[in-house]
Amino acid sequence: GENVEQHPSTLSVQEGDSAVIKCTYSDSASNYFPWYKQELGKRPQLIIDIRSNVGEKKDQRIAVTLNKTAKHFSLHITETQPEDSAVYFCAARGGGFQKLVFGTGTRLLVSP
Amino acid sequence: EAEVAQSPRYKITEKSQAVAFWCDPISGHATLYWYRQILGQGPELLVQFQDESVVDDSQLPKDRFSAERLKGVDSTLKIQPAELGDSAMYLCASTLDRGEYEQYFGPGTRLTVT
Repeated sequence: GENVEQHPSTLSVQEGDSAVIKCTYSDSASNYFPWYKQELGKRPQLIIDIRSNVGEKKDQRIAVTLNKTAKHFSLHITETQPEDSAVYFCAARGGGFQKLVFGTGTRLLVSP
Repeated sequence: EAEVAQSPRYKITEKSQAVAFWCDPISGHATLYWYRQILGQGPELLVQFQDESVVDDSQLPKDRFSAERLKGVDSTLKIQPAELGDSAMYLCASTLDRGEYEQYFGPGTRLTVT
């Protein structure tokens, strides 16, 4: 089955800096890669996603890149703000109706 | 904006007791998922429903866990008997249909087994 690895497990940046979180997946048939933000005690919220027919997607300060050959995808947050502090999860979904498999999460701390 | 509802939000139970969680997906969503999230880890799928039918329960510990979605709308996840290792956040999510990608999560039920 699908296996997703996520790095780093923690990331501390200064306000205004950029943050990059990386994930790798094992199933070459995976075709959907969402990123979720989870604040303490709250539900995971989808912040951006990318499908396998696209190499990059951007939404304001957030972007995701996908390298299908290397089977890795990354989340880029520019101009970080303290409210970006949270745990971020990547996930991958296999072909057909395969389930979402989540990474282990990255705790991002943005210091003012 | 419609949201997935879950109750209770918090549950403390003693080991060997029975516990149940309830989920009401977004109206019209045919696919419902139950996840378990252990502290410090990502959510792990326990069971997936398409309408009232189970389509994936490969990771559900069936000796103690059960799930149902009798009318294809709301769903109940039960643990009997609860064990200390069951302490976790139980999340419910839904999508419009199996072919849809974006999953909408509920607020979760935080279970503590003592």
